[in-house]
Amino acid sequence: GQNIDQPTEMTATEGAIVQINCTYQTSGFNGLFWYQQHAGEAPTFLSYNVLDGLEEKGRFSSFLSRSKGYSYLLLKELQMKDSASYLCAVRDDKIIFGKGTRLHILP
Amino acid sequence: DSGVTQTPKHLITATGQRVTLRCSPRSGDLSVYWYQQSLDQGLQFLIQYYNGEERAKGNILERFSAQQFPDLHSELNLSSLELGDSALYFCASSVGAASSYEQYFGPGTRLTVT
Repeated sequence: GQNIDQPTEMTATEGAIVQINCTYQTSGFNGLFWYQQHAGEAPTFLSYNVLDGLEEKGRFSSFLSRSKGYSYLLLKELQMKDSASYLCAVRDDKIIFGKGTRLHILP
Repeated sequence: DSGVTQTPKHLITATGQRVTLRCSPRSGDLSVYWYQQSLDQGLQFLIQYYNGEERAKGNILERFSAQQFPDLHSELNLSSLELGDSALYFCASSVGAASSYEQYFGPGTRLTVT
């Protein structure tokens, strides 16, 4: 079956680093996305990985291991505005989203 | 502002009714996606259209249908509404049909079925 797992909630401190993990089991694989979603708002694109390795984009990095069905999103120098849900999504012939990880940032 | 527009922003209707949600993609985008987001299910992919043709289908109920018009706007029709259809419905667009293209999400339509 198709399954994407992420932790439901995480808490971190302003200025720190946090890693949000995502594991997936899908029948096919055509790439993995990370989206950020603030409460009541639309998701916004953060990153896309299709090959193994680390993609860095400013304070955010995303890693993929296709053999392990595993990805993580790394957020550095956390800011209060990073408090949001982070959605992991995998595409085979259609796109499947995980239920998201709610990240709380403490001052 | 992603450039994707959705109307209406809120919709309240009764069980058994039919509603139509509308989406206009970003200028130049040919693909439109529809998603349903409820608290317990997360974001569920419903359907994708590319340049007027159905491209991919997800967990879309038979009571739901969609289409993309020649001007590329799309409509999602929900009929015989049930309480469980209450959710936030997002439309997203991307420039191409392929999986690598970033999707831009509209602000959503919040549907409440009473």
